[in-house]
Amino acid sequence: QVTLKESGPALVKPTQSLTLTCSVSGLSLSTSGVGVGWIRQPPGKALDWLALIFWDDDKLYSPSPSLQSRLTISKDTSKNQVVLTMTNMDPVDTGTYYCALETDDPSPFAYWGQGSLVTVSS
Amino acid sequence: DVVMTQTPLSLPVTPGEPASISCSSSQSLLNSDDGNTYVDWYLQKPGQSPHLLIYSLSYRASGVPDRFSGSGSGTDYTLKISRVDTEDVGVYYCMQRIEFPYSFGQGTKLEIK
Repeated sequence: QVTLKESGPALVKPTQSLTLTCSVSGLSLSTSGVGVGWIRQPPGKALDWLALIFWDDDKLYSPSPSLQSRLTISKDTSKNQVVLTMTNMDPVDTGTYYCALETDDPSPFAYWGQGSLVTVSS
Repeated sequence: DVVMTQTPLSLPVTPGEPASISCSSSQSLLNSDDGNTYVDWYLQKPGQSPHLLIYSLSYRASGVPDRFSGSGSGTDYTLKISRVDTEDVGVYYCMQRIEFPYSFGQGTKLEIK
């Protein structure tokens, strides 16, 4: 059974950096074709893609001006984890952060974590 | 970036009646190389993560009831529920993954009359 679990701080101060970890079990992140993405959802709003990393370490980032150069995604294959770092946090970055798994078996993004609520406030 | 526009934003439905949600994309989601159409549909119930219903236009995800179906072509796509059940309440999202950044529609809130 494949599961994903996000972990990280619930509260971050403005200008600080946020580091979130997505721990994956049941499937190796080294498996060909596998990717893990991060999606953010501000309270009461729609979902927004942030970044995606693949088994071969290829990385994709949202080109949104508000996220430009603030995101770094990486993976630790030995721990089967994906880490997202977001610098210079602002209150508008408050929201629930999800990680999700891209794999063709059984279907793309069939597996999501439960989400990690992050509040940016002084 | 590909923009996804959903209608309606709110959908009150009587149990047992059909329901339909539309999603319009700013460009075609058909990949001419592999023939797949990269539009997916999710349901997010209150307090939960999004749950995949339909992927690649019309394929039902594992465990999804057959009263859910997806269709469309060009830049217009539709999710249909043949007979709405009370457990179908929540916010429905379409998502394109033909190019990154993948993008979601604004969401359609389905409620029971």
